[in-house]
Amino acid sequence: DSGVTQTPKHLITATGQRVTLRCSPRSGDLSVYWYQQSLDQGLQFLIQYYNGEERAKGNILERFSAQQFPDLHSELNLSSLELGDSALYFCASSVGPGEATEAFFGQGTRLTVV
Amino acid sequence: AQSVTQLGSHVSVSEGALVLLRCNYSSSVPPYLFWYVQYPNQGLQLLLKYTTGATLVKGINGFEAEFKKSETSFHLTKPSAHMSDAAEYFCAVSVRAAGNKLTFGGGTRVLVKP
Repeated sequence: DSGVTQTPKHLITATGQRVTLRCSPRSGDLSVYWYQQSLDQGLQFLIQYYNGEERAKGNILERFSAQQFPDLHSELNLSSLELGDSALYFCASSVGPGEATEAFFGQGTRLTVV
Repeated sequence: AQSVTQLGSHVSVSEGALVLLRCNYSSSVPPYLFWYVQYPNQGLQLLLKYTTGATLVKGINGFEAEFKKSETSFHLTKPSAHMSDAAEYFCAVSVRAAGNKLTFGGGTRVLVKP
């Protein structure tokens, strides 16, 4: 158990819909990262938050957004879903962006868009 | 920007044989390097990491990797494969200036034959 909790584990939804993925980081970790894993794109960094502030942005679509709340949990919002958004979405947490520590990954949320 | 290339998307080894997974990276600043393992339907688990100091890094489950700056490589080895090593392995790079977000290679799936 990495200490990072993601909910839900599985999500099936229709095209055009909106979903919210939730992540609770390890106790004491201030930095949260979101990654997308798909067969054609591999593991791609989406976005990072540190202590409530956006820290870095990767290949995140405009239809996607995220935030980190005062209690440090984070949510990834995916809207106007398309078939190609079907993927495994991982959240990871670490102490902070300035430390050379590893990121701990959650079990992921498998999103299927039908 | 950083990048990672993993040579070989699939590797098949016999139980008891040497496991060698190749990883080459590109970074304009000193990198942090990681190997993660992903078992089916699971998140990513850190095997080992290189930040600074000793270039031969030992990790969990008998794995080790050597950082070779001149070759921009960070190959992963295990002297004797076990059936439980069957999984997908990801090499990743991060740099402090980019908030330590991970850039992953394409992954290498390891099959262990009895």
